[in-house]
Amino acid sequence: GAVVSQHPSRVICKSGTSVKIECRSLDFQATTMFWYRQFPKKSLMLMATSNEGSKATYEQGVEKDKFLINHASLTLSTLTVTSAHPEDSSFYICSARAPRGKTGGFTDTQYFGPGTRLTVL
Amino acid sequence: AQSVTQLDSQVPVFEEAPVELRCNYSSSVSVYLFWYVQYPNQGLQLLLKYLSGSTLVKGINGFEAEFNKSQTSFHLRKPSVHISDTAEYFCAVSAHSGGYQKVTFGTGTKLQVIP
Repeated sequence: GAVVSQHPSRVICKSGTSVKIECRSLDFQATTMFWYRQFPKKSLMLMATSNEGSKATYEQGVEKDKFLINHASLTLSTLTVTSAHPEDSSFYICSARAPRGKTGGFTDTQYFGPGTRLTVL
Repeated sequence: AQSVTQLDSQVPVFEEAPVELRCNYSSSVSVYLFWYVQYPNQGLQLLLKYLSGSTLVKGINGFEAEFNKSQTSFHLRKPSVHISDTAEYFCAVSAHSGGYQKVTFGTGTKLQVIP
């Protein structure tokens, strides 16, 4: 259980275009999802916390208008990189907190999607 | 605020030899600790986690880690590595801050198993 998928796995786009990345929890409902960005040979940087039915919480230094997050349902969160530029090229990874099961609520363990490699030309 | 330090960016080790990947953390509140593995161009896979209870935690693929509160460490160990263990390993700390969970990752340690 607790499988998270991302689509697309790889995308190449021209500078100035917008790109949408989907993150889905396949076998559980995720009220909270997280979006990370990973630079080459670097660790994961938390960009924002996506909350179902409400606005995302962005980390300091992350442009809200640049990285639009929509968590419209309990199984889907989307990240849209608007007017993408070459410096936005990166590996984007989403995660969701695993459900606790019959007792309800969520654990502190996060399950990660396979990532999306964005290349902006 | 919490932080995670992985002192070794790369660890080369011969196949079938033991390995230890070091992780130290700092936090002003109680934390949960995790180790994740990342294979090239893939997402992160949970290796093991410490939430409470026994300080020695066993995970998948023969890995284990020991939580040492006094030394604020959570080192990852495997008694005999395989070629397939070659990957990037991330230590992570989870704490509740401002009413929500925040996970902080270390900078990663690249384990290179030499045949």
